[in-house]
Amino acid sequence: QSVLTQPPSVSGAPGQRVTISCTGSSSNIGAGYDVHWYQLLPGTAPKLLIFGNSNRPSGVPDRFSGSKSGTSASLAITGLQAEDEADYYCQSYDSSLSGVVFGGGTKLTVL
Amino acid sequence: QVQLVQSGAEVKKPGASVKVSCKASGYTFSESYMHWVRQAPGQGLEWMGWINPNSGGTNYAQKFQGRVTMTRDTSITTAYMELSRLRSDDTAMYYCARDLGYSETSFDYWGQGTLVTVSS
Repeated sequence: QSVLTQPPSVSGAPGQRVTISCTGSSSNIGAGYDVHWYQLLPGTAPKLLIFGNSNRPSGVPDRFSGSKSGTSASLAITGLQAEDEADYYCQSYDSSLSGVVFGGGTKLTVL
Repeated sequence: QVQLVQSGAEVKKPGASVKVSCKASGYTFSESYMHWVRQAPGQGLEWMGWINPNSGGTNYAQKFQGRVTMTRDTSITTAYMELSRLRSDDTAMYYCARDLGYSETSFDYWGQGTLVTVSS
């Protein structure tokens, strides 16, 4: 299983707000390491959505936002759109493993 | 614009090795670490390690130490990932990904992926 824990799936209707959680431990998120988020659309390479817990790269809509507290982080998506249907992954660094770690991924379904 | 273009799909037998290339363009190759990440069918993302294109220094994930080798050729701005002693569970899409260079590792540009299939 993954070092970072995400819910396997979330869903929401168009226009609604959804959040995806990412839970770690004292050797990764809880140690102060940044959390980053990626979107994987079917058949495409991952896309960076959020870096450094809450920063959006240019071109990413402000409907996407990130936050971090304690040993957890969250990705929020407001004004849900059909094209948001994708897999989402969180990523951080783990000092025990001395390397990059990912969450197991969350499949977002737009109803 | 930044582009990472990977080599084509590979089919290998168990025990063999595979070498995947990642041609970078649109930025100064030596200024950004290059990472390799894989995704097995139906599974999540898995970090394999990085190479510093400037020095050639590497850092591999514990799981792959002894089996993976990352190299680069700065003259053609290309990074390589070689995985040896392949097993069936190495069947996956392999991505190269550029380090954003922000305070901690994150990946701002990704290659299109190279599918490696290990089958007898």
